[in-house]
Order: sequence, then C-alpha cells, then structure tokens
Amino acid sequence: DQQVKQNSPSLSVQEGRISILNCDYTNSMFDYFLWYKKYPAEGPTFLISISSIKDKNEDGRFTVFLNKSAKHLSLHIVPSQPGDSAVYFCAASAQTGTASKLTFGTGTRLQVTL
Amino acid sequence: DAGVIQSPRHEVTEMGQEVTLRCKPISGHNSLFWYRQTMMRGLELLIYFNNNVPIDDSGMPEDRFSAKMPNASFSTLKIQPSEPRDSAVYFCASSFQEGYGYTFGSGTRLTVV
Repeated sequence: DQQVKQNSPSLSVQEGRISILNCDYTNSMFDYFLWYKKYPAEGPTFLISISSIKDKNEDGRFTVFLNKSAKHLSLHIVPSQPGDSAVYFCAASAQTGTASKLTFGTGTRLQVTL
Repeated sequence: DAGVIQSPRHEVTEMGQEVTLRCKPISGHNSLFWYRQTMMRGLELLIYFNNNVPIDDSGMPEDRFSAKMPNASFSTLKIQPSEPRDSAVYFCASSFQEGYGYTFGSGTRLTVV
C-alpha cells in the first residue's frame, strides 16, 4: 500500500517557467513532509521540508505548500533552471518517538528544457 | 566529513550467490536506514537502526535479507541467496537522533543475473 503517492512520473518545463510537482498521502499520522532531489548515480539530497502546523514554506526558488484537509502537498520551483532537472521524491514522517522513518513516494522526473 | 559511504558502488552477481552491501554512516549520527529504489515502488525502507539497535525491519522483503549494525560506524545488508528480482539500487542513510534530515550515500547498484 503506497502511503505517499506521486502520480506524475515525469514533467517537462521550459527554463524560466514554474515547475509544480505534486504529492498525495493517505496516512493522517504524517506530520512532517520533505522533498528530496536526486541526480543520476547520486543519493537523494534534502531540498525543503514543512511541518504540519504550517501550510507554506519557502526557500529561495523553492516553495512547498501543504493542504492537510486534502492530504496533498506540492513543490513549486520558480524560475525553473536546467540544473533543476532531476528526480524529485516526496517523503513523509510520523513522529515515532525513537527514530523518524521516512516514507517516500515513487518520484517525479523533472526535465527543464532550454 | 566524507558523508555516508557505501560500498561497493556496483555489484553484479549470479543468482544464488551471497551479496553483502556495506555502509559507513556520518560520525555522530545515531540512526541508520537501508532503502531500496525500484521503478515501481520508489524508495522503500527496508530496515532502520537507532543506536545500533534494529527498530523496524518490517520492510525487509524475505528471510533472504538480513542487516546488522555491529557498531556506530558500520552496517551491512546481506542477501543470501540473491535472486534476479533483488536487482535495484540500495541506499544507506543516516541521521542525528530524531532529526528529519537524512543524509544518503551514493547507493549500491545491484544486478543479479
């Protein structure tokens, strides 16, 4: 059962335009959400996160929006740059008390074209 | 800091052989996670350790998979016997206590033929 879903396996956006990556989750116990970025032959790297007490978090060109009632979050990249081309993973965590294990989605491959 | 170090980077083995993947977490991190990446399921958590103790191994697919963390600076994931469906990229990650920011290694690409 996929608790974190990224229904778009790929997305192509022109340089300078906005990229919007979407993520849905089913577990209402999730209280922290993260986006990771992965280049080929490398491990995923942390990009941005948001706590369930917020509905928006911004870091430079990257903004994450959280809609708890819809169990939906999105990552906006503005403006998109060719170096943003990568696979983006959405991840979620429920506080467990000992270690916070992350549940990841299947990823969305973003291609930023010139 | 060199980050999370995984070895080998690539492993090609024949079906039925034993495979051992290795991970050295970041010094000071006390949580360690093994993930497997496949096209169909994305990044799946296999097992994680806190202070060298296995906390949750519910993601380990079968008895053929086992993981150990004998000390704070080393962990292994073993598959015995390996099967072609085990072919995937295996990632190790570490984090500090209940910190949400994992640091991933570069992964081991396993191919079982």
